[in-house]
Amino acid sequence: GAGVSQSPSNKVTEKGKDVELRCDPISGHTALYWYRQSLGQGLEFLIYFQGNSAPDKSGLPSDRFSAERTGGSVSTLTIQRTQQEDSAVYLCASSPRTGPDGYTFGSGTRLTVV
Amino acid sequence: QKEVEQDPGPLSVPEGAIVSLNCTYSNSAFQYFMWYRQYSRKGPELLMYTYSSGNKEDGRFTAQVDKSSKYISLFIRDSQPSDSATYLCAMSGNQAGTALIFGKGTTLSVSS
Repeated sequence: GAGVSQSPSNKVTEKGKDVELRCDPISGHTALYWYRQSLGQGLEFLIYFQGNSAPDKSGLPSDRFSAERTGGSVSTLTIQRTQQEDSAVYLCASSPRTGPDGYTFGSGTRLTVV
Repeated sequence: QKEVEQDPGPLSVPEGAIVSLNCTYSNSAFQYFMWYRQYSRKGPELLMYTYSSGNKEDGRFTAQVDKSSKYISLFIRDSQPSDSATYLCAMSGNQAGTALIFGKGTTLSVSS
């Protein structure tokens, strides 16, 4: 497709379980970003990839969160031992350049931890 | 104090009204200023993008940046029901790949 694709669109998991969230960026986009959108909190930056490298992972809230990107394309965000406060919409964006004006966001994965 | 402050609303206006949305910020290093529109259960989409101070117009939308006051605005003229959405301001510094800092968003409802 032409846009950023995220899967699953919805995920309900039990507290303590691990989850993997997937992002398929637009083909050729070298920059990839993960953000988290919690109710009433706005979007919070998690991690930035340039190619397969993550020069900025300063937004990851704890060591339970990790992300990787392979082949300069697909990225996976993994949350281990999920907690209820992890419930949020996780948004991925890709960009063909490193400037801030080229972002295209996916529709997000809505994660609910019960 | 958060880096970016934005009144969450909700803001309700009749069709055809002029809408003013605003954000204030505290970080003087911000150089890029953006407005995103987000429909329910969708990702944000870029509406307007401004570098440094000044005004920018695109159709019914006008973005203004006043760096001396650390204040940015988005004006929507002749508002339409299809403009009903959440509007997010976002800002960043000059470094390549630097993260965007978002406001919490203002929910706008335009009634016909």
